[in-house]
Amino acid sequence: ETGVTQTPRHLVMGMTNKKSLKCEQHLGHNAMYWYKQSAKKPLELMFVYNFKEQTENNSVPSRFSPECPNSSHLFLHLHTLQPEDSALYLCASSQDRLAGGPYNEQFFGPGTRLTVL
Amino acid sequence: AQKITQTQPGMFVQEKEAVTLDCTYDTSDQSYGLFWYKQPSSGEMIFLIYQGSYDEQNATEGRYSLNFQKARKSANLVISASQLGDSAMYFCAMSPYGGSQGNLIFGKGTKLSVKP
Repeated sequence: ETGVTQTPRHLVMGMTNKKSLKCEQHLGHNAMYWYKQSAKKPLELMFVYNFKEQTENNSVPSRFSPECPNSSHLFLHLHTLQPEDSALYLCASSQDRLAGGPYNEQFFGPGTRLTVL
Repeated sequence: AQKITQTQPGMFVQEKEAVTLDCTYDTSDQSYGLFWYKQPSSGEMIFLIYQGSYDEQNATEGRYSLNFQKARKSANLVISASQLGDSAMYFCAMSPYGGSQGNLIFGKGTKLSVKP
């Protein structure tokens, strides 16, 4: 496997279910990100991890719970979601979000298309 | 607050012709980076090109070039010799220096359709 992978690619869940999204990067990066992409909206940054430490949480509801056990893996645990949480969830990684300069190219995974019924 | 504006929800271009996708940004930072990403229907965001705010020359990467006009705060993407595979969503993004360094702020995107 190369680059950034995400599983599952598609997920349908009920509002009472608990599920997890998985992201894995094979690029040796130290920073990982979760984004939410809803229809007709810009990508919204949800969480940032740098060297396994969460550095940002952009006012995301507690029904989304991230976990970063090491620099290569990132999870997004989901529980009691709402229909409006249906979206494409994208994971990305970069070298190091604090490595000099704004040039911090992020590499994205293919996303998980989530539908909440 | 930083903001990216892409005013073209959709664009059509004939195969082999050039097309310009507009992007304007708003920031009070002196140092920042500008990015363009391509998102095919498969969903993956593909990095295309980067321009630093202090770069004097416009960035180019193969058929992609970035028309950077700092005074106007615009960073338009030019795709030359369009191909059918260029049909996708295109997102302009900005990364500020400082505390939010590394965070990307995205525009709403432009859907490009290349006609044969």
